[in-house]
Amino acid sequence: DGGITQSPKYLFRKEGQNVTLSCEQNLNHDAMYWYRQDPGQGLRLIYYSQIVNDFQKGDIAEGYSVSREKKESFPLTVTSAQKNPTAFYLCASNLGQAAHEQYFGPGTRLTVT
Amino acid sequence: AQKVTQAQTEISVVEKEDVTLDCVYETRDTTYYLFWYKQPPSGELVFLIRRNSFDEQNEISGRYSWNFQKSTSSFNFTITASQVVDSAVYFCALSESNSGGSNYKLTFGKGTLLTVNP
Repeated sequence: DGGITQSPKYLFRKEGQNVTLSCEQNLNHDAMYWYRQDPGQGLRLIYYSQIVNDFQKGDIAEGYSVSREKKESFPLTVTSAQKNPTAFYLCASNLGQAAHEQYFGPGTRLTVT
Repeated sequence: AQKVTQAQTEISVVEKEDVTLDCVYETRDTTYYLFWYKQPPSGELVFLIRRNSFDEQNEISGRYSWNFQKSTSSFNFTITASQVVDSAVYFCALSESNSGGSNYKLTFGKGTLLTVNP
């Protein structure tokens, strides 16, 4: 089945540790996105990539890093510099045009203590 | 800058009632796209509908209908004869098209939590 997978579903880390969230898609989409969702809030864009080996910062990129070495994969690293990392992280992809809806993965809930 | 406002934070209805979720948007572009997504308790966002700025026709899909009015910058979503399975957070979103036609940003409203009680 085509879709987006994110792993793990739940992730727990100690403060000060970097953690990498996985996102893989087999939809042959050019563009991929990372969003953060906090309780009672909409989604906020962290990073996006429209093509392999290229990515741009979104609205809240500080404390995060990404890579796009393969079309199918867009991992997100939450670094120790991110002040409030506990959140629900959603990965999405689309064909890269404004007209096209984004398809979302199931999300990873990160808890940092 | 683009902005999406969903003024209703939470709505609670009884099964079989009709319910309308409001969405008001702001954009300076003439070409833009509006979306509705559903987020059930599992967390994954499910795409419901896309509407482009040149198409003001209302759309109906089963119990769902959408009313797009450019004059009031609104894109409201109505569920007819609501069911318990409709309970979810619903997000309205706006995408603008730059000169190259590429999409780099989808702006979301804060969502409306709909609870349908049996």
